[in-house]
Amino acid sequence: SQQGEEDPQALSIQEGENATMNCSYKTSINNLQWYRQNSGRGLVHLILIRSNEREKHSGRLRVTLDTSKKSSSLLITASRAADTASYFCATGNYGQNFVFGPGTRLSVLP
Amino acid sequence: GAGVSQSPSNKVTEKGKDVELRCDPISGHTALYWYRQSLGQGLEFLIYFQGNSAPDKSGLPSDRFSAERTGGSVSTLTIQRTQQEDSAVYLCASRQGVTGELFFGEGSRLTVL
Repeated sequence: SQQGEEDPQALSIQEGENATMNCSYKTSINNLQWYRQNSGRGLVHLILIRSNEREKHSGRLRVTLDTSKKSSSLLITASRAADTASYFCATGNYGQNFVFGPGTRLSVLP
Repeated sequence: GAGVSQSPSNKVTEKGKDVELRCDPISGHTALYWYRQSLGQGLEFLIYFQGNSAPDKSGLPSDRFSAERTGGSVSTLTIQRTQQEDSAVYLCASRQGVTGELFFGEGSRLTVL
């Protein structure tokens, strides 16, 4: 299975701190994506990193990818209460289904 | 349309009844996915349509579940003889082409009494 698995399952931090979430997967991939889900709503795409990339930035987000270890990390810097959500990684190959991990529930306390 | 649209947003049904959930993907998107999410859990892949290719049905949990995609656009997920364990949020997503980000609808929350 390509399934990504995030850890930790839950993370609670204070506003202003950084939050790091990790994702591991099992097979080779073309790209890995991170999504965010606010409670009870659909998922929103955050960032995509291709298999030939090692690091990518978008605003306060930083994603790394280590294909040798089959792992990725998502760093959210200077967190805000509005960052409270569940975060999922998704792995896939061209033309194949995308498999999501169980997610990390992030709580940012004001 | 501007985004992925799903209907109904909420559905309450009795055990044993059939239900249909609808997904309108973004116009021009060739890929369409259905996922299921139980409360507090991750996304469970159900089925994937890509253009005119045969769909990937490997995630459908039983033969009570089926899905169609008519004209390469609208998709309907049908659950026959619903069971209480079918209660979940059913999410639809679409994508342009064979790679790239998925755009999700807000989901259809199904409750089977």
